[in-house]
Amino acid sequence: QTVVTQEPSLTVSPGGTVTLTCGSSTGAVTSGHYPYWFQQKPGQAPRTLIYDTSNKHSWTPARFSGSLLGGKAALTLSDVQPEDEADYYCLLYLGGTRVFGGGTKLTVL
Amino acid sequence: QVHLQESGPGLVKPSQTLSLTCTVSGGSISSGNYYWNWIRQPAGKGLEWIGRMYTNGVTSYNPSLKSRVTISGDTSKNQFSLNLNSVTAADTAVYYCAREGAGYYWGQGTPVTFSS
Repeated sequence: QTVVTQEPSLTVSPGGTVTLTCGSSTGAVTSGHYPYWFQQKPGQAPRTLIYDTSNKHSWTPARFSGSLLGGKAALTLSDVQPEDEADYYCLLYLGGTRVFGGGTKLTVL
Repeated sequence: QVHLQESGPGLVKPSQTLSLTCTVSGGSISSGNYYWNWIRQPAGKGLEWIGRMYTNGVTSYNPSLKSRVTISGDTSKNQFSLNLNSVTAADTAVYYCAREGAGYYWGQGTPVTFSS
């Protein structure tokens, strides 16, 4: 079965920049995998940040951006704020189905 | 803006069929280029995609669950449903419904617990 890989955990300082990535065991991630990025805080439902690689919802802070980087989907957080501490999940379209990555726990320290 | 709300029994017994419903407001499940999804999340673990139904009723499922899952729609009630049969303790999770297309809109989730 296809595996979608994310960094298990990352740490960033307030005001810093961090990039989370999302790879596929089948090969390079492209726009045809329609990458999504979600943020989830404890006890809350996930919230969509990015859809179709780089599109933002109206509620997505400007400091979040999506792209393709080195054969992976990427979520970059600039000027990181304490409230950005959360779990982040990517979602890819693979083989006619959708597959979530295992998630990245982002710590702001 | 579209709004989704999950509903269903909070407890299920072994070998029973879990049935959940997602009620949609602010948009029709039978129009537009949208996919209507079910996702679940066991406590303390990551998200798992269960399956989805397109506006025209065509479905696709997670291969690991495909033999036990059915997703269907009721256009008269503007709802879509999840049926998961032969449940076990491993099916205990928070279940979410979501609309995919020009973004991804989530319901708040409903917890389902396995009870013997």
